[in-house]
Amino acid sequence: AQSVTQPDIHITVSEGASLELRCNYSYGATPYLFWYVQSPGQGLQLLLKYFSGDTLVQGIKGFEAEFKRSQSSFNLRKPSVHWSDAAEYFCAVGASSASKIIFGSGTRLSIRP
Amino acid sequence: GAGVSQSPSNKVTEKGKDVELRCDPISGHTALYWYRQRLGQGLEFLIYFQGNSAPDKSGLPSDRFSAERTGESVSTLTIQRTQQEDSAVYLCASSLSTGIGYGYTFGSGTRLTVV
Repeated sequence: AQSVTQPDIHITVSEGASLELRCNYSYGATPYLFWYVQSPGQGLQLLLKYFSGDTLVQGIKGFEAEFKRSQSSFNLRKPSVHWSDAAEYFCAVGASSASKIIFGSGTRLSIRP
Repeated sequence: GAGVSQSPSNKVTEKGKDVELRCDPISGHTALYWYRQRLGQGLEFLIYFQGNSAPDKSGLPSDRFSAERTGESVSTLTIQRTQQEDSAVYLCASSLSTGIGYGYTFGSGTRLTVV
């Protein structure tokens, strides 16, 4: 069965610092991988997705993620965070034949001024 | 419409009452999904629709939960005899078709509080 693990419940970084949010998945074949962001009081917004090809994926708002098959990981990165990046971030996985996406439990990002 | 619309945005109900949550997907989106998000937790899949049919309702937690979709448009999630553990944000999403490659567009959710 597919599953997603986000080992960090809450991370605090200083504004301007780099960010890496961890995501590990469990799936037999190459999965479809996603990162979503949920700002307070708002719905989830897709940051980026990986299906195949280049393992480094660029997304919106300056985010990128790297698919590493050997580590079953899909970590989200940003070189310099802004206060507006404070939000909840969800990693998600699905199979190409699937009809639904499985979400991780989320990582809450706080920004230190 | 331009986005996925959910109503009400907030609902407080007494334990034992029935509630209906509404989702208006993006026009033309044939696939519609319901998820539940309990406080501090990830999204829990409830049910998905392709057109007006629900091929996968495996996530509905009990027979108190039901959902329908009409006109390949609006969907209603009904919770009967609400319990305190039903308190959560209920999120609706739609996509052009099934097949997750299309990605989802989420609504802002309905926050349900059972007192």
